[in-house]
Amino acid sequence: ETGVTQTPRHLVMGMTNKKSLKCEQHLGHNAMYWYKQSAKKPLELMFVYNFKEQTENNSVPSRFSPECPNSSHLFLHLHTLQPEDSALYLCASSQDDLNSPLHFGNGTRLTVT
Amino acid sequence: EDQVTQSPEALRLQEGESSSLNCSYTVSGLRGLFWYRQDPGKGPEFLFTLYSAGEEKEKERLKATLTKKESFLHITAPKPEDSATYLCAVQAGGYNKLIFGAGTRLAVHP
Repeated sequence: ETGVTQTPRHLVMGMTNKKSLKCEQHLGHNAMYWYKQSAKKPLELMFVYNFKEQTENNSVPSRFSPECPNSSHLFLHLHTLQPEDSALYLCASSQDDLNSPLHFGNGTRLTVT
Repeated sequence: EDQVTQSPEALRLQEGESSSLNCSYTVSGLRGLFWYRQDPGKGPEFLFTLYSAGEEKEKERLKATLTKKESFLHITAPKPEDSATYLCAVQAGGYNKLIFGAGTRLAVHP
């Protein structure tokens, strides 16, 4: 399998639930990212990991908790979300050098009820 | 504040009708400008990187150009399969920290 794979593709959760999003990359990259995409709004960077170390936390609420156990896997743990957190969550990877393009997965469509 | 603005928000073309999408940016110290294509239900797919004013890149019916203030994505004789949302992003200073525009939704009708 190649590229960036995200699971699940769709997720519906209540505000009191706890769930996790998973991302795996097969490109040999060493930087991984979480982005949030809401309708008609620009992609918002949430977290960046370089060589498994978190280097960016873009003022994301603590109800979102990232985990990067190795350079191929990335998780986003979710708990006590709000309806406004409903969005498409995209994972991406890249080489760690400047100007290296991001390669995106197909995202998880999250609905919070 | 670094900012990326794309126009138009939506564009409808007839097959074969050439046009251009605009990406204007305000950043301090541009390191690179990226174009992506996004199909419904999928993640963005990388198209081009431009680094300096005057640079141009082509891929099939697409041609991207860059000036000091904006980038254009020219679509020549588009086909229905070119229908997608086209995203522009800039990298300015921050380590792999891209600033995205809201995108242009392109619909090409036969």
